[in-house]
Amino acid sequence: DQQVKQNSPSLSVQEGRISILNCDYTNSMFDYFLWYKKYPAEGPTFLISISSIKDKNEDGRFTVFLNKSAKHLSLHIVPSQPGDSAVYFCAAKTLASIQGAQKLVFGQGTRLTINP
Amino acid sequence: EAQVTQNPRYLITVTGKKLTVTCSQNMNHEYMSWYRQDPGLGLRQIYYSMNVEVTDKGDVPEGYKVSRKEKRNFPLILESPSPNQTSLYFCASSSITGGLAGLDEQFFGPGTRLTVL
Repeated sequence: DQQVKQNSPSLSVQEGRISILNCDYTNSMFDYFLWYKKYPAEGPTFLISISSIKDKNEDGRFTVFLNKSAKHLSLHIVPSQPGDSAVYFCAAKTLASIQGAQKLVFGQGTRLTINP
Repeated sequence: EAQVTQNPRYLITVTGKKLTVTCSQNMNHEYMSWYRQDPGLGLRQIYYSMNVEVTDKGDVPEGYKVSRKEKRNFPLILESPSPNQTSLYFCASSSITGGLAGLDEQFFGPGTRLTVL
């Protein structure tokens, strides 16, 4: 049972435009959400996160939006750059327990390609 | 440099031949975890450890063993590998006691690509 879902396996965007990556979750216990970026032959690296008490978090070109009622979050990248081409994983966890606060539940990933 | 290292990075083996993938971190993290990444499934947790001598099963533990005798090391053991364990494996670590619980970044190793023939 996939508790975190990324329904778009791939996304292609023109350089300079906005990239929007989507993620849905089913477990209402999740209260902290993260995006990880992964380049080939490397491990995932943390990109940005959001707590369930917020609906938006910005860090430079990256913004994550959270819609708790819809159990949906999205990552916006503006403007998109060729170096943003990577696989993006959405992840979620619950802060209610020490173990839950460490365990990341991942989506399937979306491969983003930025075209020059 | 703060990092998580894994060895080997690539491994091709045959069914039934025991193997160990090592994982080491230099950040004095209490929490360590193993994930496997498969197409269409994302990363799934195999085993985790909250501290030395404390380990527990994740979501897909069948066919794997782990040990945590030292804080920095968390090896993954496949006693009798099978082709369905062909995958990309990641080790990760994070701090439990540092900063706000659960909000510290989890650091990942570079991955080990395992093929079982």
